Amino acid sequence: DGGITQSPKYLFRKEGQNVTLSCEQNLNHDAMYWYRQDPGQGLRLIYYSQIVNDFQKGDIAEGYSVSREKKESFPLTVTSAQKNPTAFYLCASSLYPSGGNEQFFGPGTRLTVL
Amino acid sequence: AQSVTQPDIHITVSEGASLELRCNYSYGATPYLFWYVQSPGQGLQLLLKYFSGDTLVQGIKGFEAEFKRSQSSFNLRKPSVHWSDAAEYFCAVGGEYTGTASKLTFGTGTRLQVTL
Repeated sequence: DGGITQSPKYLFRKEGQNVTLSCEQNLNHDAMYWYRQDPGQGLRLIYYSQIVNDFQKGDIAEGYSVSREKKESFPLTVTSAQKNPTAFYLCASSLYPSGGNEQFFGPGTRLTVL
Repeated sequence: AQSVTQPDIHITVSEGASLELRCNYSYGATPYLFWYVQSPGQGLQLLLKYFSGDTLVQGIKGFEAEFKRSQSSFNLRKPSVHWSDAAEYFCAVGGEYTGTASKLTFGTGTRLQVTL
């Protein structure tokens, strides 16, 4: 079955450590996205990528980094510079990089900073 | 800038009752509108979408939504709610690709509780 996988489902990190969240899709989609979800704030866009080797900052990119070396993979690194990283992180993809295209979501990774 | 407002943070309905979740958007051109549903600890699933044409859109699980341009609204409805509909619902607005990736903007969500 085609879809988006995220791993791990739960992640614990000590303050000052970088951590990388995995996102893989086998939908052959060009565009991929990372969102952060906090209670009562909906989804906020961290980074997005239209095509391999290209990505742009979203609304809350500070303290995060991404890479897009392969079409199917879009890992997100939460760096020690991110002040409040505890949140639920969602990866998504769409066929084309248009706001008119349906985005398909992964199951999410819950990151907790201890 | 595009934006979405979901004025109801939390709604409780009885099983079998009708449901309407409100969504108001702001967008400078013809919008693309979406409703997504999220169960606790899960990703989002698309319920329905509006691009153009008929303003009443049918989705999965018996949901429908009506686009009203004059009111900048895209309210979600279901005639008879089931206990399994308890979840969080997100409205989102996006636009056409114009050379740089346009993004979806999500509302803050409405949590639906269903009483038996």
